Amino acid sequence: LAKTTQPISMDSYEGQEVNITCSHNNIATNDYITWYQQFPSQGPRFIIQGYKTKVTNEVASLFIPADRKSSTLSLPRVSLSDTAVYYCLVGVDDSNYQLIWGAGTKLIIKP
Amino acid sequence: ETGVTQSPTHLIKTRGQQVTLRCSSQSGHNTVSWYQQALGQGPQFIFQYYREEENGRGNFPPRFSGLQFPNYSSELNVNALELDDSALYLCASSLTGKKYFGPGTRLTVL
Repeated sequence: LAKTTQPISMDSYEGQEVNITCSHNNIATNDYITWYQQFPSQGPRFIIQGYKTKVTNEVASLFIPADRKSSTLSLPRVSLSDTAVYYCLVGVDDSNYQLIWGAGTKLIIKP
Repeated sequence: ETGVTQSPTHLIKTRGQQVTLRCSSQSGHNTVSWYQQALGQGPQFIFQYYREEENGRGNFPPRFSGLQFPNYSSELNVNALELDDSALYLCASSLTGKKYFGPGTRLTVL
């Protein structure tokens, strides 16, 4: 199971674009990259998942370089409500494997 | 709203007691997994059930056990509670890999 490394915390301001980078040097060929968001005392919420290049949805974009050893979650024009912990997970999330959750990145958005 | 519910929301037990936590999966999801999340840490995988059979387990002792019912709802049972069992317990249901988490049960062991 591939391990991930992400910053422990980040600060930004309302209206800014925030990029959180995750390193996963041991990513395997079949592994996907998945990001979750978690607010205090709530369960994590799926944000986005990708395998290579770029993925975009209504909430975020995920940039994955060709070597797939890192990925960047991009949150456009953040608001105070984006203050949360963001987790990067790498693996094949089916019935035979379980993803390893690190401590995540605590993102604080200031007014 | 993920459609996954958990009960109770909060629970206080004393060391040595037993506890049962419940999870109602999102409709149609045949896989449920349970996680323990200590304060300031990421969720730690406890075990997973697929169609009523346990098919994956993390590094937790046998006093952590579970059940999945025909309607895909699930229970987590913890025997002989220890102080370190105090945590947020999360369940997540899934169908194709993407997990939908419930709000969690906050367990405090005194």
